[in-house]
Order: sequence, then structure tokens, then C-alpha cells
Amino acid sequence: QVQLVQSESEVKKPGASMRVSCKTSGYTFTTYYIHWVRQAPGQGLEWMGWIHPRTNGATYAQRFQGRITMTRETSINTVYMELTNLRSDDTAVYYCARGVETTTKSYSGMDVWGQGTTVTVSS
Amino acid sequence: QSALTQPASVSGSPGQAITISCTGTTSDIGIYNFVSWYQHHPGQAPRLVIFDVDSRPSGVSDRFSGSKSGNTAFLTISWLQAEDEGDYYCSSYTSSSTHVFGTGTTVTVL
Repeated sequence: QVQLVQSESEVKKPGASMRVSCKTSGYTFTTYYIHWVRQAPGQGLEWMGWIHPRTNGATYAQRFQGRITMTRETSINTVYMELTNLRSDDTAVYYCARGVETTTKSYSGMDVWGQGTTVTVSS
Repeated sequence: QSALTQPASVSGSPGQAITISCTGTTSDIGIYNFVSWYQHHPGQAPRLVIFDVDSRPSGVSDRFSGSKSGNTAFLTISWLQAEDEGDYYCSSYTSSSTHVFGTGTTVTVL
């Protein structure tokens, strides 16, 4: 079955960088977009960006521009999300989620989600 | 890109129907039929219940239905059950080739 398995929780200091991995299985890795979404404590879901695993092209939410990079390693069916210059308000649960097929005419829906990675930013 | 606007909370009795609204703009909901809805229980990953405005993934109850009018999308849950309690988020594709979530709605079954 389709699975997305994320890396373990992390604690980071302000100003540091984080990198969360999302290992996929059960489908053809290069044919579905991968999204990254986060939820800060007491807040709602926030879309961060998405990546096309075949081309390695990514689009980011404006508020993260300059601090975020999404990449993929096709040999191990894994996507990475790096966020730099961390602040306390980056403390959140980070999710990867499978989007639509890259060849479809739709852009709607994230149908399989990772288990979430808690990142705590604290001095 | 500002979050789509949802009511903070909606409640209903078992067996009733409730509707959650999700208001966007002419840069997202108003021009695309790429609206999806997610159910989110604390400590779990979100679950897709509606995509492409009104399509249901396999395995999702037909008590969940979606629609859209202008810049506003709607999620209706019919025959409300206790298991439907939780947070619900809408999402839309945007003219910037990004996505945006709604502010979230807590559903309470009385």
C-alpha cells in the first residue's frame, strides 16, 4: 500500500536549519507531486510548498521564500524539506503528503499523508 | 496569499446535516474547481474527504458532499455521527501555482 514515512522529531536552536525527510513506497515515485504542510501548536494547517519528483521543480508559499528548499532523491524514493534560519514560531508538526499525479489536469487533493515530524525550536 | 475563511465552529445533533463554508477570492476558489476538504483529528494525519470540489475518494462515506458557488466552497456532512467530530480544513489551488488552506472549522456533535 502507499506509505509516506517521515524522519524523527527534532529539537533545534534559533538560527539553525532543519531537514525533514519523507520516504515513499507503494507507488511510482516520480508520477505524483509531494506537498509539505505544517501545523503550529494551536494553529491551523499551513501549506508550505510542493515538488515535482520527476523534474525536481518546486513552488513555495511566499512567506517561506528564501528560507525553504525542497529536493528529492529518486534512487531512494525520498523527498526532503529544508528550512533555514529557524525561529521559535517555526515550532510545528511538519507533514509531507502525496498530491495528484503529475500528468493529471487537476491540482486538487492530498490523499496520503506522512505521520508527521515534530520540530521544536528553542534556545 | 491569505488563508481561506471558514467559520471557527459548527455544531449539530446526531442525524442532522451541517454545512461548512470556505470563502476565497477570484484568485483561488473563484476561478478553479480545485477545492479539497480534509478531516483532522488531534494527533493524527489529516484525511482527504473531498477533492475537485465535489468528488469523494474511495472509502469516504457518501454522507460527505462538496459544492461551490462563486468564491465560496461548501462541505456538507449529512446524518451527522459522533465520529465526525474534529477539525475540517478546505484547500484551494491558486493563480500563483500554490495552494492555500482555510482557517479551519471545529465540528462538534451535540
